[in-house]
Amino acid sequence: QKEVEQDPGPLSVPEGAIVSLNCTYSNSAFQYFMWYRQYSRKGPELLMYTYSSGNKEDGRFTAQVDKSSKYISLFIRDSQPSDSATYLCATRDRGSTLGRLYFGRGTQLTVWP
Amino acid sequence: NAGVMQNPRHLVRRRGQEARLRCSPMKGHSHVYWYRQLPEEGLKFMVYLQKENIIDESGMPKERFSAEFPKEGPSILRIQQVVRGDSAAYFCASSPGQEGEQYFGPGTRLTVT
Repeated sequence: QKEVEQDPGPLSVPEGAIVSLNCTYSNSAFQYFMWYRQYSRKGPELLMYTYSSGNKEDGRFTAQVDKSSKYISLFIRDSQPSDSATYLCATRDRGSTLGRLYFGRGTQLTVWP
Repeated sequence: NAGVMQNPRHLVRRRGQEARLRCSPMKGHSHVYWYRQLPEEGLKFMVYLQKENIIDESGMPKERFSAEFPKEGPSILRIQQVVRGDSAAYFCASSPGQEGEQYFGPGTRLTVT
């Protein structure tokens, strides 16, 4: 079983739609959760970073963590064509592997005008 | 405020040659991480370094791969006797501390012919 599972999509939505991206993880020791956005042939860009269960909002983006079900989500409101990218979830623990990130495969999102 | 810098951005090597990838972390960051991204796969952790120390190299192949982060200068990921399977995008990330957010560079795309 992979540490982090993420549906690769692709996901295609019209401009203005609400996008929901999801990941599950297997290790209850994971305590930190991140979402990165990666445009084609570019480096990942950190979007959201959270530690606790619950919601964290930043502009049109909301990250949600449910540690009891080991489920993390990213919601994008009022999606724009410029949001078209691959979205990567990532996590890490506080144990011996503190430092290294475990990534999902990424979900490819296209927002069409 | 320059971000994480990587060079070269593209590198072509023939089988059996050596590849040397460089990473300069963000200003004020002393923790460096290397990840590899294969087509259709997520980012995979390779190695975590601090200045002059390897903290975690559990994700790095035992043979042909080595990494360093000297007191002065960039971090170097070295791949000796490259094979076609080494063709991938190699990303470097940096953080101010072990629990800090990791910021990625633009990557080096290695092609082995």
